[in-house]
Amino acid sequence: AQSVTQPDIHITVSEGASLELRCNYSYGATPYLFWYVQSPGQGLQLLLKYFSGDTLVQGIKGFEAEFKRSQSSFNLRKPSVHWSDAAEYFCAVGAATNAGKSTFGDGTTLTVKP
Amino acid sequence: GAVVSQHPSRVICKSGTSVKIECRSLDFQATTMFWYRQFPKKSLMLMATSNEGSKATYEQGVEKDKFLINHASLTLSTLTVTSAHPEDSSFYICSARQGDGYTFGSGTRLTVV
Repeated sequence: AQSVTQPDIHITVSEGASLELRCNYSYGATPYLFWYVQSPGQGLQLLLKYFSGDTLVQGIKGFEAEFKRSQSSFNLRKPSVHWSDAAEYFCAVGAATNAGKSTFGDGTTLTVKP
Repeated sequence: GAVVSQHPSRVICKSGTSVKIECRSLDFQATTMFWYRQFPKKSLMLMATSNEGSKATYEQGVEKDKFLINHASLTLSTLTVTSAHPEDSSFYICSARQGDGYTFGSGTRLTVV
């Protein structure tokens, strides 16, 4: 069975500081990996996804993520956080053949200090 | 880009009544849509896969008679919560698949009183 672990429930960073959100997955085949952002009371917005190819994936809003098969990780990074980045972040893994049917991690809440 | 509209964004209903939530793909056709439920401070739980023109596929533990899904057209899937109870109160989110990409709706906050 597939699973996703986001070890950090809550992270606080200062505005302008760098950010890394951790994601570890368990999947028996080639995974599709995703990062989503959710603002309070809103739906999810896709930040980036990895299907194959270059293991460093660029997304929207200045985010990037690196797929490391040996570590079963897909960590999200941003070099300089903005106050508007405060939100809930979800990592997800999906099957290559039915990528919409994804399993989500429990999420990491990001707080940005001024 | 692909847009998925979900309606209503918020709904309050009385126990025992039914509530219908709509998920529309506005600028593309979606043969497959997905319905998720999100509890406070929790991750999204996939409830069912909605397939246009055929029966929905429900995840284990989801009551198909309680959560009725209809995908009658390529742009619309509906989730009806029947005989709603307070424990059905939650945030429901749909997503629509378009090729390898898919988009999530903005969610519906259901409160059953």
